[in-house]
Order: sequence, then C-alpha cells, then structure tokens
Amino acid sequence: NAGVTQTPKFRVLKTGQSMTLLCAQDMNHEYMYWYRQDPGMGLRLIHYSVGEGTTAKGEVPDGYNVSRLKKQNFLLGLESAAPSQTSVYFCASSYYTGAGNQPQHFGDGTRLSIL
Amino acid sequence: GESVGLHLPTLSVQEGDNSIINCAYSNSASDYFIWYKQESGKGPQFIIDIRSNMDKRQGQRVTVLLNKTVKHLSLQIAATQPGDSAVYFCAETYTPAAGNKLTFGGGTRVLVKP
Repeated sequence: NAGVTQTPKFRVLKTGQSMTLLCAQDMNHEYMYWYRQDPGMGLRLIHYSVGEGTTAKGEVPDGYNVSRLKKQNFLLGLESAAPSQTSVYFCASSYYTGAGNQPQHFGDGTRLSIL
Repeated sequence: GESVGLHLPTLSVQEGDNSIINCAYSNSASDYFIWYKQESGKGPQFIIDIRSNMDKRQGQRVTVLLNKTVKHLSLQIAATQPGDSAVYFCAETYTPAAGNKLTFGGGTRVLVKP
C-alpha cells in the first residue's frame, strides 16, 4: 500500500502562473483534505471533501480550488499563483465510520515556491 | 494547542531517558485527540489516538494521557531513541465535526542527544 501519494514533490512557479497538485490515496477513504504548512503557523486546512463529487471550504480557502471527481483523487488548483502561496502543501485522508472519528493519514507534501 | 510563533518549543532529552510532551487544548467539546510525529521533509505520521471516554492509552513505547478537567493532553515516550527526534503535534476534534476536521497544536520539537 502506498497510502497517500502527492505529486509533484517540488515546484517553482512564477507569479500569475497556474498549477494543479494531485493527491491520490489507495485506502478507500471517504474523506480527503488539503492543508498548507508555514513556519510558525502549524497546519491550516484549505479545503476538504467528504466524498466523491463534494468539496467544502476550510480555514484558508481563498486563492485555491479543489475537485474530487474520483474517490481516490483530490486535486488542488492555484489559478493565479501569488508569493503568499509559497508553502508546503499536505494532503490527508481518513475513514468515515459511524463509530466515531478516525485519524487522518498524510502524504509527504509538495514544496511550492512562487517567485 | 497554541501557536508559538516562529519558534517551536524544544524538548532536549538524553537518549534512553523518557520524554513527556504536553499539549493544552481549548475546546471543551473536543472528544477525540491524536498525536502526530513529523520528521524533517516528511508529512505528519500518526502515532496514537485517544477518545474522551478514556484517560490513558498505551502503544509501543508511547502513552497518551488525557485530563479533560484541565483540557490537557500529554505524550510520553519511553526510552527515547535518536529516531524519535522530530516535531510532535497534537490534534483535536469533536463529534460531529463536519468532515472530521482537526484542529492542530503548534508543535513541539524533540531533540535526542546521544
């Protein structure tokens, strides 16, 4: 099992360029999440999805869009990159069960620099 | 957990000693708690979780203690090893939080001295 796989691992963009970050999970998890991690800020939730075809805003959604066309994939898009979006982006997934919350499992991140 | 700005609190521990990492949470409705370990250049890795109907849970070399009265969570690592050097985060959520969203603490850096 690969778990949660993120591509690419590194990327440098110029201001105004667009790109898509891909997250794939092979654990059949219902829930998926995109976070950004900045020094001293901890992990902040950008968007999340509770199932195929559904998305919702997190804590810091502005400047990002997401899509969940397939259960195993969750895409994060930057339409017009800004230097403030320089960060490390993490994807996570978790089960949904009626028995209670379950831990989120994380990928190893995409390191994105906007010049 | 609380954000501590640009500088993470750091715990230096001698190899072989026990480590205790603390976390204060703010939401009295939180009923599920997780500890994560994050090594340099990697994503957070699940260590152990605990639900609010318990006050202690043990794993392999790790123990999590929950004190709901004072809203405090701790992670104890027995016989700390060099491979335990990392940043440790606590996270909390409540039932039913939409999408099981977690709130993360700011993290504690653990440095293991040989």
